Amino acid sequence: QKEVEQDPGPLSVPEGAIVSLNCTYSNSAFQYFMWYRQYSRKGPELLMYTYSSGNKEDGRFTAQVDKSSKYISLFIRDSQPSDSATYLCAMNGEVWYQFYFGTGTSLTVIP
Amino acid sequence: DTGVSQNPRHKITKRGQNVTFRCDPISEHNRLYWYRQTLGQGPEFLTYFQNEAQLEKSRLLSDRFSAERPKGSFSTLEIQRTEQGDSAMYLCASSLGTGDLGEKLFFGSGTQLSVL
Repeated sequence: QKEVEQDPGPLSVPEGAIVSLNCTYSNSAFQYFMWYRQYSRKGPELLMYTYSSGNKEDGRFTAQVDKSSKYISLFIRDSQPSDSATYLCAMNGEVWYQFYFGTGTSLTVIP
Repeated sequence: DTGVSQNPRHKITKRGQNVTFRCDPISEHNRLYWYRQTLGQGPEFLTYFQNEAQLEKSRLLSDRFSAERPKGSFSTLEIQRTEQGDSAMYLCASSLGTGDLGEKLFFGSGTQLSVL
């Protein structure tokens, strides 16, 4: 079993839709949860960073962590064509230099 | 721009040749990581440095791979005798390490390697 599971998509939504992206994980030691956005042929860009359970909001983006279910989500409200990218979840918490990444979900927002 | 810088952006080489990539981290960051990413996959850890010391290497890093970070500033990743399976995006990331969990990794734009 992989440490982090993420549905690769692809996901295609109309502009203005609410997007929900999700990851599950198996290691209960994970405490820090990140979402990265990666445009084609670019490096990942840190989008959201959360610690432990709960919600964090930043503009149109909300990150949600449910440690009891080992499940994290990223919600994008009022999605824009510029949100079209691959979204990677990442986690850390067992060994400080080890970050575990999902495979990424490809999102396309159609104008 | 004070982000992580990687050069070159693209590298095409023939099998068996040696290649070297360079990474310039965010200036105040003491930790530097190398990752490899193939299409449809997340980044895979290769190695990391704290200042100039290379502290951990993944088993993915065969003896054909070597990384250095002289003087704790920029880093280079060299691949000797390249193979077609080395074709991937090589990502560098840096962080400000405090010794605790929960660092924030900042990535460069990567070097896309194609081995023909």
